Formats: sequence, structure tokens, C-alpha cells
Amino acid sequence: QKEVEQNSGPLSVPEGAIASLNCTYSDRVSQSFFWYRQYSGKSPELIMSIYSNGDKEDGRFTAQLNKASQYVSLLIRDSQPSDSATYLCAVKPARGSTLGRLYFGRGTQLTVWP
Amino acid sequence: DAMVIQNPRYQVTQFGKPVTLSCSQTLNHNVMYWYQQKSSQAPKLLFHYYDKDFNNEADTPDNFQSRRPNTSFCFLDIRSPGLGDAAMYLCATSRARGLGEQYFGPGTRLTVT
Repeated sequence: QKEVEQNSGPLSVPEGAIASLNCTYSDRVSQSFFWYRQYSGKSPELIMSIYSNGDKEDGRFTAQLNKASQYVSLLIRDSQPSDSATYLCAVKPARGSTLGRLYFGRGTQLTVWP
Repeated sequence: DAMVIQNPRYQVTQFGKPVTLSCSQTLNHNVMYWYQQKSSQAPKLLFHYYDKDFNNEADTPDNFQSRRPNTSFCFLDIRSPGLGDAAMYLCATSRARGLGEQYFGPGTRLTVT
């Protein structure tokens, strides 16, 4: 069973703060990791992907990966009310019959208050 | 713009009445996925197609079927919807099977009365 665990929240931060979202995964050989943003009633939207240990920055978003600890995180700097959404962590297996699929966590609900 | 389109956006059906949801894509992606998502839950993969190669998840009920007549279109058929099948149904595509990036359509919200 390949599991992806996220704190469901809700996580509440003031506007301008850094929001930190965390995810752990059980399959040690997973290679690819993704963060999706999902607004209420809408479909998931890919916002970040990360494949190597370390940090990857894209605008106000930074993804961090630590494969030894089986941990991936998403930092949102200068949080805005428009960032209020559920953030889904997704993990892709490295090989095998499950190659074509992603394993999703249940998501962390983020609220940014003005 | 290249995109993933789902129709209808909202579907109401009666208990036991068959329903078909459709998905089309202009991205020319080889892989198409169908997910079911209920409130506050992770998307649950029902099936995926790698080109014409159909892959069914082990826990997908027989009540759910899928067709992919060509690269652009994919359909989800629910033969006898139950109240527990009310959910958001999401179609997604990926350029190739080995890639993890998936691009979602807007979803179809299914209500069963």
C-alpha cells in the first residue's frame, strides 16, 4: 500500500506570512513529487513538481524534498487570500505496474486571512 | 488554448438510471485518467488509458465502465448509479505514462436522486 499523508488542517495564516504545508510518503523508491492546488468546487491544478533532493523555487512557491526522510513540503511566501485552497500532495511510483498513476494525499486546507 | 474539457459540468441522474460522462482533450496526450473525488477526500483513480491500453484499478466497481474511441475522447459510463456514486468526476491527461504531471479538466459534479 503506497500511502501519502498530509495534515488535513485547516491551516490558517495571516496575509503576508509564510504558509508551510507538509507531506510524507511510504514508498521509499518514489521518484517524482507534485503539489496540486484545488479551490473549493474546482478541479486540481498542478503548481509544482520536484524530482531531486533539495529546494525548487517558482515565484512565491518553494518545494522541498528530502528522500531520506520521505518528506516533501511546500512553502508559500507572502501568502495572499487568493492562496486559500486545499493543497494536494501527489507521489509517482518509480516503476512497476503502477507506473502510470499518482498517489494523492487527502490535502491540507489553507486559509489566508486579510 | 490546449485544454481538457468535460461535459456536462453538472449531471443529475436518478438512482439506477445509466449515465455517461465525457472528456475530451486538445493536448494530444497519450494517457487519460478518470478519478472520483468525494468531499474532503483525495481523488480516487478509477481507470486510466495508456493510448488504447486500458488499466482498471482493482477496487473500481464493475458498475463503472470506460471507453476511449480515439486519442481525444474518453467516456465514463455508470451503469446503475447508486446514492454512493454522487461525487465529482475528474478527467486528467498526461503526455506519457512515465511522466507524473497530470492536467485536469474542470470536473463533472454528479448528483444521484
